[in-house]
Amino acid sequence: EDKVVQSPLSLVVHEGDTVTLNCSYEVTNFRSLLWYKQEKKAPTFLFMLTSSGIEKKSGRLSSILDKKELFSILNITATQTGDSAVYLCAVVLAGGTSYGKLTFGQGTILTVHP
Amino acid sequence: DGGITQSPKYLFRKEGQNVTLSCEQNLNHDAMYWYRQDPGQGLRLIYYSQIVNDFQKGDIAEGYSVSREKKESFPLTVTSAQKNPTAFYLCASRGLGTEAFFGQGTRLTVV
Repeated sequence: EDKVVQSPLSLVVHEGDTVTLNCSYEVTNFRSLLWYKQEKKAPTFLFMLTSSGIEKKSGRLSSILDKKELFSILNITATQTGDSAVYLCAVVLAGGTSYGKLTFGQGTILTVHP
Repeated sequence: DGGITQSPKYLFRKEGQNVTLSCEQNLNHDAMYWYRQDPGQGLRLIYYSQIVNDFQKGDIAEGYSVSREKKESFPLTVTSAQKNPTAFYLCASRGLGTEAFFGQGTRLTVV
């Protein structure tokens, strides 16, 4: 059975702290890994990772994939209260066509206090 | 402008009733997905479709049904066989090699 596991499940920090969120996976036919931020309703896209060891950055957020050890991390530096959200990791599995199944982890609830 | 639209935003259902949640996209995406989210939890896959007139069960398909008669539309029916349907439902679509785009969700409550 395909599994995507995120840790920690919840995290409380103060503004200015740096956080590292983890996503590990045990799946057949891995294609890519996606990170999303969910504040209220619709998750918003952060990163797509397909190759090991190549860091993706966007402002204070960065992410990297390790396909040998089957995990990814999402780093947020100098956290702000606006970073408070649920962070979701998803794995795209190669299917019979070009699209495949998209399986999510449980999410990490991040709370940033002023 | 392009996007993915779910309706209604809020839905109330009496026990024993079937209800249908709408999901429409104008992004010209082939793949569409339905997820269920319970409070404090991640997204669990109900059904997905990679092409018109074809769909596959996800991890929690029991009590749900879907159709994909048009590329733009992927409605989800929550049947009376679904024992605990109260949840937040999210629809997503994806193009080749792209991330998934989400609708704003439908919150279903059984009364």
